[in-house]
This record gives sequence, C-alpha cells and structure tokens, in this order.
Amino acid sequence: DTEVTQTPKHLVMGMTNKKSLKCEQHMGHRAMYWYKQKAKKPPELMFVYSYEKLSINESVPSRFSPECPNSSLLNLHLHALQPEDSALYLCASSQVGVAQGYTFGSGTRLTVV
Amino acid sequence: DQQVKQNSPSLSVQEGRISILNCDYTNSMFDYFLWYKKYPAEGPTFLISISSIKDKNEDGRFTVFLNKSAKHLSLHIVPSQPGDSAVYFCAASDRNYQLIWGAGTKLIIKP
Repeated sequence: DTEVTQTPKHLVMGMTNKKSLKCEQHMGHRAMYWYKQKAKKPPELMFVYSYEKLSINESVPSRFSPECPNSSLLNLHLHALQPEDSALYLCASSQVGVAQGYTFGSGTRLTVV
Repeated sequence: DQQVKQNSPSLSVQEGRISILNCDYTNSMFDYFLWYKKYPAEGPTFLISISSIKDKNEDGRFTVFLNKSAKHLSLHIVPSQPGDSAVYFCAASDRNYQLIWGAGTKLIIKP
C-alpha cells in the first residue's frame, strides 16, 4: 500500500460545527503532516508529527487541533472555523529525516459557511 | 522572504516539444530539491528530486538540473504530453527536513 487516504473528500460546515478530518497510511512512515492549500498557492505547513508526537506547530490557531492516535492515523479536529479557513487540507507522510518523496493524500476540500 | 522562487506563474508549450520549468533559491544550506506535480483538487505528486551534491538527475522524460553556483534548478520534460498539463511546484529541504515550497508554475501543453 503506497497511498495516503484522506476522508472525507469534501466537507461543508457551519461556523459553530465541530468536525474532524482523517488521514491514514500503511507505508510504515513515522512522520505525518497537515498542510493547508488555497487556490493558486503552494501548500502551507500546519503541523508535523514525528513518531506520534507533535514536533512542529506552525502557529496554527487553536480552532485546529491535531491528533495522532497511532503511527498510521492522523486526525485534524475542527471547531468554530471561519469562512477564510475554507481550503484544501492535505495530509502527507514520509520517513522521519528523509527529505525526498513525501506522499500526499488527495486532500479534503473544506468549505466553511 | 521567499527562499524558493518560481518566477513564471504559467508556461504554455506545444505537445511534443520540451518544457522547461525554472526555480531559484536563496538558502545555500538546502540539501535536497524536489519537484511535485499537482492536478486541481488533488494532492501534489512527487516527480523527481536531486541532491545538492549532484548536478543532474534523470527519470524517463523528466530531468532536473541543479546549478549550485547560480542557486538555480530546472525541470525539463521531453517530449511534453497533454497529461503533463498541471501545476508544478519546486520545493527544497532544509536541515530540519521540512519542505520550503515555491509558488508553482502552471504548465499548459497545447495539442
């Protein structure tokens, strides 16, 4: 299995809702990432987990809460989002300390209304 | 301050010809450079990479060239095919193994 699977593919949520994005990989990668991508922009790093521990938080607002229950799963819990948080949310994984070949999921297209 | 720059937002190339995508960087400590391809509403797909100790890496129709003195790299696609139409991101790896991304170049292959 050489894929990163993200669910759901599309999500529409209100500003008072609580929802979660899920990411799964079975490649034995021990680094997992959340990125946010707006149209016509490069991906922006949000969080990095190494060996299931949060190693990088790029000053992301607390309305985004990551969780890594085990080495294969990565969640992003969403609460009280704003319309400007609408974007494509990408999960990626890689071997820890390996520069090349991050594997990305197809993303969750999030719309906040 | 943009450490990785792709100065061409878009590029249009005839099918069968060579596509050349360019990328400049400012940090001489980068040790790996990568190219990703992205279709709309999909995640980026890794294409090809090059270590800073090399000046060329080739994989099928894709070749990446690195000029360290000029802090410049380029991706050559030969021959260009319609399926190559996508946004191409250049990225560099810093000492923490995090990726620093360029803004992307939209490649359009004309039939």
